[in-house]
Amino acid sequence: DTGVSQNPRHKITKRGQNVTFRCDPISEHNRLYWYRQTLGQGPEFLTYFQNEAQLEKSRLLSDRFSAERPKGSFSTLEIQRTEQGDSAMYLCASSSGQGETEAFFGQGTRLTVV
Amino acid sequence: GESVGLHLPTLSVQEGDNSIINCAYSNSASDYFIWYKQESGKGPQFIIDIRSNMDKRQGQRVTVLLNKTVKHLSLQIAATQPGDSAVYFCAENRGSSNDYKLSFGAGTTVTVRA
Repeated sequence: DTGVSQNPRHKITKRGQNVTFRCDPISEHNRLYWYRQTLGQGPEFLTYFQNEAQLEKSRLLSDRFSAERPKGSFSTLEIQRTEQGDSAMYLCASSSGQGETEAFFGQGTRLTVV
Repeated sequence: GESVGLHLPTLSVQEGDNSIINCAYSNSASDYFIWYKQESGKGPQFIIDIRSNMDKRQGQRVTVLLNKTVKHLSLQIAATQPGDSAVYFCAENRGSSNDYKLSFGAGTTVTVRA
């Protein structure tokens, strides 16, 4: 499968714990996006990278959230001191950034904070 | 607040009939819109896009119409099939043509009746 890959698919954690998710974009896609989707809602933009540079962060991305893309390939999203309100699906997408090509989404990581 | 939204949260369609899913947006400066399909447990899947310099675009069994005067777009699915059952989102791209900083509506759940 050469699509966007996200791991883990599901994560259950206790409130206050830290969690980290990984996204592997489509090979050679230089743009990578993180979105969050709560039940019954559309995805909400969190942040995006062009290569290793994080170019924009949404106001939704509180200080407890940090995203990295150290080598311009895979990315990680870490949530520190998780809260119940962090429970959501975290989606990653990538695009080539050249021409009018679409962004492809992964299947997401579903986080449940108990 | 959100700048895009859908008129109806659910749509039930008889197999073989045509489906029409509506979406209203509020930002008159928006110039790029995308329709996504999301099946249960999966990430959003690109269906079709349209730029503001167009009022209609056709794909395979799908047509997107854009009415900038009333800030409305619609997705028409011809000969709806059981595999079309999913949640459909319209999204506005707030970035440049290559930046998928998307603003999604809440979605319309389409159920196809056999």
